[in-house]
Amino acid sequence: AQSVTQLGSHVSVSEGALVLLRCNYSSSVPPYLFWYVQYPNQGLQLLLKYTTGATLVKGINGFEAEFKKSETSFHLTKPSAHMSDAAEYFCAVSDSFDAGNMLTFGGGTRLMVKP
Amino acid sequence: KAGVTQTPRYLIKTRGQQVTLSCSPISGHRSVSWYQQTPGQGLQFLFEYFSETQRNKGNFPGRFSGRQFSNSRSEMNVSTLELGDSALYLCASSLDQGGYDEQYFGPGTRLTVT
Repeated sequence: AQSVTQLGSHVSVSEGALVLLRCNYSSSVPPYLFWYVQYPNQGLQLLLKYTTGATLVKGINGFEAEFKKSETSFHLTKPSAHMSDAAEYFCAVSDSFDAGNMLTFGGGTRLMVKP
Repeated sequence: KAGVTQTPRYLIKTRGQQVTLSCSPISGHRSVSWYQQTPGQGLQFLFEYFSETQRNKGNFPGRFSGRQFSNSRSEMNVSTLELGDSALYLCASSLDQGGYDEQYFGPGTRLTVT
């Protein structure tokens, strides 16, 4: 069974500071990995994804993540936080060998950005 | 292209009642998945439909059911509602042409059970 752990349910940074949101996964097969963002009263928006190929993945809004197989991690970073980045972020994993679409999500990290 | 739409956006029901939620996928998308989001349990996969057939199912009781129509629109039904069913129910659609296809989420239906 797959699982995803996000360290830190709440992260607070100052505007302009580095954003680092941590995600570790467990999967018995090569995983597909995702980061989603959720703004209040909205659905999920895909930030970036890793399926195959380059392990450093760039996404929207200046975010990027690096797939590290040896550490089973897929941490999300952004060099400089903006007030508009305040939201909840979810890491998710999908089984690359499974037919169909079934995402297993982490518990989420609420990012707060201080002025 | 219009995104995933879910109706209604908000719903209040009483314990013991049943409810039906609707999801219209992006045009051309053939797969529809449903997720439940609660503060305590987070985001949990309910089920996925593809070509009118349930392809995957999460660990939820039989009170939760769904279906997909020939135009790919999907409905989920919850019978005999319990207080714990209060949640945001999210629908996601994807093209599903083989391999990985990105899932696009709708805004959700917020169900409150009193």
